[in-house]
Amino acid sequence: EAQVTQNPRYLITVTGKKLTVTCSQNMNHEYMSWYRQDPGLGLRQIYYSMNVEVTDKGDVPEGYKVSRKEKRNFPLILESPSPNQTSLYFCASSPGTNTDTQYFGPGTRLTVL
Amino acid sequence: GNSVTQMEGPVTLSEEAFLTINCTYTATGYPSLFWYVQYPGEGLQLLLKATKADDKGSNKGFEATYRKETTSFHLEKGSVQVSDSAVYFCALRFWGAQKLVFGQGTRLTINP
Repeated sequence: EAQVTQNPRYLITVTGKKLTVTCSQNMNHEYMSWYRQDPGLGLRQIYYSMNVEVTDKGDVPEGYKVSRKEKRNFPLILESPSPNQTSLYFCASSPGTNTDTQYFGPGTRLTVL
Repeated sequence: GNSVTQMEGPVTLSEEAFLTINCTYTATGYPSLFWYVQYPGEGLQLLLKATKADDKGSNKGFEATYRKETTSFHLEKGSVQVSDSAVYFCALRFWGAQKLVFGQGTRLTINP
Protein backbone atom coordinates (compact mmCIF):
# COMPACT_ATOMS: atom_id res chain seq x y z
CA GLU A 1 0.00 0.00 0.00
CA ALA A 2 1.29 3.44 -1.00
CA GLN A 3 1.71 5.52 2.10
CA VAL A 4 3.61 8.07 4.13
CA THR A 5 4.37 6.97 7.67
CA GLN A 6 5.44 9.06 10.63
CA ASN A 7 6.76 8.09 14.03
CA PRO A 8 5.95 8.67 16.75
CA ARG A 9 2.30 9.65 16.41
CA TYR A 10 2.27 11.28 19.82
CA LEU A 11 5.13 12.66 21.88
CA ILE A 12 5.35 14.60 25.11
CA THR A 13 8.80 15.91 25.97
CA VAL A 14 10.54 18.63 27.96
CA THR A 15 12.30 21.78 26.89
CA GLY A 16 15.79 21.21 25.54
CA LYS A 17 15.64 17.45 25.06
CA LYS A 18 16.62 16.65 21.47
CA LEU A 19 14.11 14.65 19.48
CA THR A 20 13.61 13.27 15.98
CA VAL A 21 10.35 12.66 14.17
CA THR A 22 10.77 10.17 11.36
CA CYS A 23 9.01 10.24 8.01
CA SER A 24 9.13 7.53 5.39
CA GLN A 25 7.41 7.05 2.04
CA ASN A 26 7.27 3.92 -0.12
CA MET A 27 6.33 5.55 -3.43
CA ASN A 28 9.81 6.52 -4.64
CA HIS A 29 8.81 10.18 -4.51
CA GLU A 30 11.44 12.82 -5.11
CA TYR A 31 9.80 15.63 -3.18
CA MET A 32 9.21 15.56 0.58
CA SER A 33 8.15 18.26 2.96
CA TRP A 34 7.34 19.01 6.60
CA TYR A 35 4.46 21.19 7.75
CA ARG A 36 3.22 22.25 11.14
CA GLN A 37 -0.43 22.83 11.84
CA ASP A 38 -1.53 25.34 14.45
CA PRO A 39 -5.04 26.54 15.30
CA GLY A 40 -6.09 29.52 13.22
CA LEU A 41 -2.93 29.35 11.09
CA GLY A 42 -3.52 26.33 8.89
CA LEU A 43 -0.45 24.41 7.76
CA ARG A 44 2.87 26.15 7.33
CA GLN A 45 5.88 24.64 5.60
CA ILE A 46 8.98 24.07 7.74
CA TYR A 47 11.46 22.46 5.33
CA TYR A 48 11.33 20.65 2.04
CA SER A 49 13.55 18.43 -0.09
CA MET A 50 13.57 18.14 -3.86
CA ASN A 51 15.75 15.01 -3.81
CA VAL A 52 18.47 13.19 -1.90
CA GLU A 53 20.90 15.62 -0.28
CA VAL A 54 18.84 18.61 -1.49
CA THR A 55 16.96 20.43 1.25
CA ASP A 56 15.75 23.99 1.70
CA LYS A 57 13.93 26.16 4.21
CA GLY A 58 10.22 26.73 4.11
CA ASP A 59 8.34 29.51 5.84
CA VAL A 60 9.01 28.60 9.48
CA PRO A 61 12.38 26.78 9.69
CA GLU A 62 13.68 28.26 12.95
CA GLY A 63 14.45 25.62 15.55
CA TYR A 64 14.29 22.70 13.12
CA LYS A 65 16.73 20.66 11.07
CA VAL A 66 16.20 18.03 8.41
CA SER A 67 18.27 15.59 6.41
CA ARG A 68 17.68 13.57 3.26
CA LYS A 69 20.28 10.81 3.04
CA GLU A 70 17.93 8.35 1.38
CA LYS A 71 15.07 8.97 -0.98
CA ARG A 72 12.46 7.37 1.22
CA ASN A 73 13.28 9.05 4.54
CA PHE A 74 13.06 12.67 5.64
CA PRO A 75 13.46 13.04 9.42
CA LEU A 76 12.64 16.24 11.28
CA ILE A 77 15.06 17.08 14.08
CA LEU A 78 14.44 19.41 16.99
CA GLU A 79 17.84 19.97 18.60
CA SER A 80 16.50 21.93 21.59
CA PRO A 81 12.70 21.90 21.62
CA SER A 82 10.81 24.78 23.15
CA PRO A 83 7.14 25.12 24.15
CA ASN A 84 6.37 27.20 21.04
CA GLN A 85 7.13 24.09 18.98
CA THR A 86 4.13 22.32 20.49
CA SER A 87 2.12 21.55 17.38
CA LEU A 88 0.77 18.94 15.00
CA TYR A 89 3.36 17.99 12.39
CA PHE A 90 2.72 16.52 8.96
CA CYS A 91 5.11 15.01 6.48
CA ALA A 92 4.14 15.04 2.80
CA SER A 93 5.57 13.64 -0.42
CA SER A 94 4.91 13.89 -4.13
CA PRO A 95 6.42 12.48 -7.32
CA GLY A 96 7.91 15.72 -8.62
CA THR A 97 7.62 19.31 -9.55
CA ASN A 98 4.48 19.54 -11.64
CA THR A 99 2.25 16.93 -10.10
CA ASP A 100 -0.78 18.08 -8.18
CA THR A 101 -1.23 15.40 -5.60
CA GLN A 102 0.73 15.45 -2.39
CA TYR A 103 0.43 12.53 -0.01
CA PHE A 104 0.31 13.34 3.67
CA GLY A 105 1.30 11.25 6.65
CA PRO A 106 -1.05 10.77 9.59
CA GLY A 107 0.55 13.46 11.71
CA THR A 108 2.66 13.65 14.87
CA ARG A 109 1.27 15.53 17.83
CA LEU A 110 4.15 17.02 19.82
CA THR A 111 3.88 18.64 23.22
CA VAL A 112 6.91 20.40 24.69
CA LEU A 113 6.61 21.17 28.39
CA GLY B 1 2.69 37.81 -0.52
CA ASN B 2 0.57 34.84 -1.44
CA SER B 3 -2.14 33.89 1.03
CA VAL B 4 -5.42 32.05 1.43
CA THR B 5 -8.32 33.10 3.65
CA GLN B 6 -11.17 30.81 4.63
CA MET B 7 -14.38 31.51 6.43
CA GLU B 8 -14.24 31.23 10.18
CA GLY B 9 -15.36 28.02 11.71
CA PRO B 10 -16.58 25.91 13.23
CA VAL B 11 -19.53 25.26 10.97
CA THR B 12 -22.33 23.05 12.25
CA LEU B 13 -25.10 21.81 9.95
CA SER B 14 -27.82 19.24 9.96
CA GLU B 15 -27.67 16.24 7.65
CA GLU B 16 -28.88 17.00 4.08
CA ALA B 17 -28.26 20.73 4.47
CA PHE B 18 -26.51 22.77 1.78
CA LEU B 19 -22.88 23.57 2.47
CA THR B 20 -20.74 26.50 1.43
CA ILE B 21 -17.26 27.15 2.78
CA ASN B 22 -15.80 30.38 1.46
CA CYS B 23 -12.22 30.65 0.27
CA THR B 24 -10.47 33.66 -1.23
CA TYR B 25 -6.85 34.03 -2.19
CA THR B 26 -4.23 36.68 -2.81
CA ALA B 27 -1.54 35.76 -5.29
CA THR B 28 0.79 37.24 -7.85
CA GLY B 29 0.00 35.25 -10.95
CA TYR B 30 -2.40 32.39 -11.49
CA PRO B 31 -2.02 29.52 -9.07
CA SER B 32 -3.68 26.13 -9.00
CA LEU B 33 -6.29 25.88 -6.26
CA PHE B 34 -7.09 22.94 -4.03
CA TRP B 35 -9.39 21.75 -1.31
CA TYR B 36 -7.96 19.26 1.14
CA VAL B 37 -9.94 17.37 3.78
CA GLN B 38 -8.68 16.10 7.13
CA TYR B 39 -10.79 13.46 8.83
CA PRO B 40 -10.36 12.98 12.58
CA GLY B 41 -6.99 11.46 13.43
CA GLU B 42 -5.83 11.34 9.82
CA GLY B 43 -3.58 13.27 7.48
CA LEU B 44 -4.81 15.54 4.72
CA GLN B 45 -6.33 14.13 1.55
CA LEU B 46 -6.84 15.94 -1.71
CA LEU B 47 -10.57 16.50 -2.21
CA LEU B 48 -10.61 18.46 -5.47
CA LYS B 49 -8.59 20.88 -7.53
CA ALA B 50 -8.76 23.44 -10.34
CA THR B 51 -5.80 24.60 -12.35
CA LYS B 52 -7.12 27.59 -14.30
CA ALA B 53 -9.84 30.21 -14.29
CA ASP B 54 -13.41 28.93 -14.66
CA ASP B 55 -12.36 25.33 -14.06
CA LYS B 56 -14.68 23.41 -11.78
CA GLY B 57 -13.26 20.75 -9.51
CA SER B 58 -15.57 18.07 -8.18
CA ASN B 59 -15.39 14.93 -6.07
CA LYS B 60 -17.68 13.04 -3.68
CA GLY B 61 -20.51 15.51 -4.33
CA PHE B 62 -18.34 18.53 -3.50
CA GLU B 63 -17.69 21.24 -6.08
CA ALA B 64 -15.62 24.40 -6.33
CA THR B 65 -15.15 26.81 -9.24
CA TYR B 66 -12.00 28.84 -9.83
CA ARG B 67 -13.16 32.46 -10.07
CA LYS B 68 -10.35 34.72 -11.18
CA GLU B 69 -12.46 37.90 -11.10
CA THR B 70 -13.30 37.46 -7.42
CA THR B 71 -10.13 35.47 -6.53
CA SER B 72 -12.31 32.82 -4.92
CA PHE B 73 -12.66 29.05 -4.77
CA HIS B 74 -15.69 28.39 -2.59
CA LEU B 75 -16.50 24.79 -1.64
CA GLU B 76 -20.11 23.63 -2.01
CA LYS B 77 -22.11 20.49 -1.48
CA GLY B 78 -25.83 20.14 -2.03
CA SER B 79 -26.63 17.64 0.71
CA VAL B 80 -24.11 16.92 3.45
CA GLN B 81 -23.81 13.69 5.40
CA VAL B 82 -22.54 12.94 8.89
CA SER B 83 -19.49 11.34 7.28
CA ASP B 84 -18.52 14.75 5.83
CA SER B 85 -17.57 15.97 9.31
CA ALA B 86 -13.93 16.97 9.03
CA VAL B 87 -11.60 19.95 8.73
CA TYR B 88 -11.43 21.46 5.25
CA PHE B 89 -8.41 23.38 3.96
CA CYS B 90 -8.25 25.60 0.91
CA ALA B 91 -4.78 25.89 -0.63
CA LEU B 92 -2.90 27.26 -3.60
CA ARG B 93 0.22 26.22 -5.44
CA PHE B 94 2.12 27.71 -8.35
CA TRP B 95 3.18 25.79 -11.42
CA GLY B 96 6.73 24.55 -11.04
CA ALA B 97 6.65 24.78 -7.25
CA GLN B 98 5.64 22.16 -4.75
CA LYS B 99 4.84 24.29 -1.73
CA LEU B 100 1.20 24.50 -0.81
CA VAL B 101 -0.04 27.71 0.83
CA PHE B 102 -2.92 26.80 3.12
CA GLY B 103 -5.81 28.68 4.60
CA GLN B 104 -6.48 28.33 8.30
CA GLY B 105 -8.92 25.45 7.91
CA THR B 106 -12.66 25.21 8.62
CA ARG B 107 -14.01 22.60 10.97
CA LEU B 108 -17.31 21.16 9.77
CA THR B 109 -19.63 19.14 11.97
CA ILE B 110 -22.74 17.48 10.56
CA ASN B 111 -25.42 16.42 13.02
CA PRO B 112 -27.85 13.59 12.21
